Amino acid sequence: RKEVEQDPGPFNVPEGATVAFNCTYSNSASQSFFWYRQDCRKEPKLLMSVYSSGNEDGRFTAQLNRASQYISLLIRDSKLSDSATYLCVVKVDNDMRFGAGTRLTVKP
Amino acid sequence: EAGVVQSPRYKIIEKKQPVAFWCNPISGHNTLYWYLQNLGQGPELLIRYENEEAVDDSQLPKDRFSAERLKGVDSTLKIQPAELGDSAVYLCASSWGVAIGAGELFFGEGSRLTVL
Repeated sequence: RKEVEQDPGPFNVPEGATVAFNCTYSNSASQSFFWYRQDCRKEPKLLMSVYSSGNEDGRFTAQLNRASQYISLLIRDSKLSDSATYLCVVKVDNDMRFGAGTRLTVKP
Repeated sequence: EAGVVQSPRYKIIEKKQPVAFWCNPISGHNTLYWYLQNLGQGPELLIRYENEEAVDDSQLPKDRFSAERLKGVDSTLKIQPAELGDSAVYLCASSWGVAIGAGELFFGEGSRLTVL
């Protein structure tokens, strides 16, 4: 079983749609959680950290459920510019472990 | 401020040849990572340095891969000899440290290796 698992997608949604990505992790001792964004043929960049209380940044909302070892990312009112791969990242033993990513394409 | 700099951006070699990648992290970042990324996959950790010390190299295939970070700044990742399966993007990243909550990794643009 992979340490961090994501639905690979792809998700193809129209502009304005709401889309949700899920991620599960296997190590209960995981320390911190993040979502990174990676554009095609570019390097990953931090989108947002994920806190136990849930957190929001504009159209993006992240949730963490430690009991279920589950992380989610919700994108509201999707824009064309949201098209990218979204990587779930878990910090384990001070190492950052990446999921395989979920690919999102937002269409006009 | 300059970001993480990697070179070369692209490298094409024949199998069994050696190859080296170089990384210059963001100034002041004491933690440096090398990741490997295959098409359609997330980055996979190869090695992590805290200053000049390799604190996690458990995923580094030591029979053919080696890395160093002399003086705790620049780092080099070497493959010798390269195999067809080594074709991938090699990403270098740096961060301020590993304190809980310190989660932002800054990545370089990567070195894309093609082994023929």
